Amino acid sequence: DARVTQTPRHKVTEMGQEVTMRCQPILGHNTVFWYRQTMMQGLELLAYFRNRAPLDDSGMPKDRFSAEMPDATLATLKIQPSEPRDSAVYFCASGPPETQYFGPGTRLLVL
Amino acid sequence: AQKVTQAQTEISVVEKEDVTLDCVYETRDTTYYLFWYKQPPSGELVFLIRRNSFDEQNEISGRYSWNFQKSTSSFNFTITASQVVDSAVYFCALSYFGNEKLTFGTGTRLTIIP
Repeated sequence: DARVTQTPRHKVTEMGQEVTMRCQPILGHNTVFWYRQTMMQGLELLAYFRNRAPLDDSGMPKDRFSAEMPDATLATLKIQPSEPRDSAVYFCASGPPETQYFGPGTRLLVL
Repeated sequence: AQKVTQAQTEISVVEKEDVTLDCVYETRDTTYYLFWYKQPPSGELVFLIRRNSFDEQNEISGRYSWNFQKSTSSFNFTITASQVVDSAVYFCALSYFGNEKLTFGTGTRLTIIP
């Protein structure tokens, strides 16, 4: 049963620190997505890739967030410097065209 | 612009009752996909179903069924003979053909009372 994996599952850090979240998409999926979930905003798309190329990162605060896919088995989302308002659950999803399967999420708390 | 509305914020039913979760969407496009996801207390998002805009046939999967009506822009989800394990937040979502960005509703928290 193939699944999207995400590490770490939980992260507590202090304001100003760099945070890196990692995602391993399901083998063979050519689209990868990053979402953020908060109580206030719900689920928001941050960025997505197709065949490792970034297609849309309009939902991402450009000054502090960056998303990359160094290879087909790894997607990363970095926040530098982190701020308390970045506290949220960050989900990675992958899919064949038109369907997305989500990972378990990284719960981030920035103090 | 596209929008998904789940007007029911929270629903509680007694186990074994049937329950329907409503989803209404807005889109100017004629080709789109509709989805339902389940988020149990553990937090992960579980894919349940995808329907495309050309297929209004209702779908049944075990105790789950979905009713898609383009005339009312609705894609409702019914759980028959509910069980405690069905307790979760359920999200309806929309995307366009060729653009996989999902627009989510705000979710409906379903609680099944034993």
